Amino acid sequence: AQKITQTQPGMFVQEKEAVTLDCTYDTSDPSYGLFWYKQPSSGEMIFLIYQGSYDQQNATEGRYSLNFQKARKSANLVISASQLGDSAMYFCAMREGDSGAGSYQLTFGKGTKLSVIP
Amino acid sequence: DAGITQSPRHKVTETGTPVTLRCHQTENHRYMYWYRQDPGHGLRLIHYSYGVKDTDKGEVSDGYSVSRSKTEDFLLTLESATSSQTSVYFCATLSKSSSTDTQYFGPGTRLTVL
Repeated sequence: AQKITQTQPGMFVQEKEAVTLDCTYDTSDPSYGLFWYKQPSSGEMIFLIYQGSYDQQNATEGRYSLNFQKARKSANLVISASQLGDSAMYFCAMREGDSGAGSYQLTFGKGTKLSVIP
Repeated sequence: DAGITQSPRHKVTETGTPVTLRCHQTENHRYMYWYRQDPGHGLRLIHYSYGVKDTDKGEVSDGYSVSRSKTEDFLLTLESATSSQTSVYFCATLSKSSSTDTQYFGPGTRLTVL
């Protein structure tokens, strides 16, 4: 079974609208971390946001927020007020185990390509 | 950003030749990682290092070896390149704080094996 599933290969959003990118995960470890990365067409991987499994509140970073639903094992990325520069691939990733122990390996989903329409 | 550079940024080589990719970091991070990115697969871990001379395998390690003789450098070697190793290779380092840990990535190396 895939550990990280991103079911939307591609999405379109109108400029200035909000958009949600889906991510579901599968782990039996009670301690884990969830990450979102952005990859623009230039190719670099840019860290966006992090959510720990024990965090009580949803993570936010500027226009990015993470809709964390632990019971449903979902960690959706919400981008508010989309901009043309948000057009990119977005990857969800998971680290299993405590922050502070282990190898900190990340398992990535296959990504969602977001296109922002002017 | 973790001050990560990768060299070369682009390389074309022939099947059967050895290839070494270099990752260099300036932040003195202990953990370093090599991933490959292929269409339809996201990023997959090849090898990682948790200190000088300490390395371990990832999900797709067959055909690759690594070495880390200094904290700042992590080398990925393809002993005998194959066409299936045509990919984009990313290096990452781990930045740790009291509350979290985050991997930051280098710019990537595009490798083509003919």
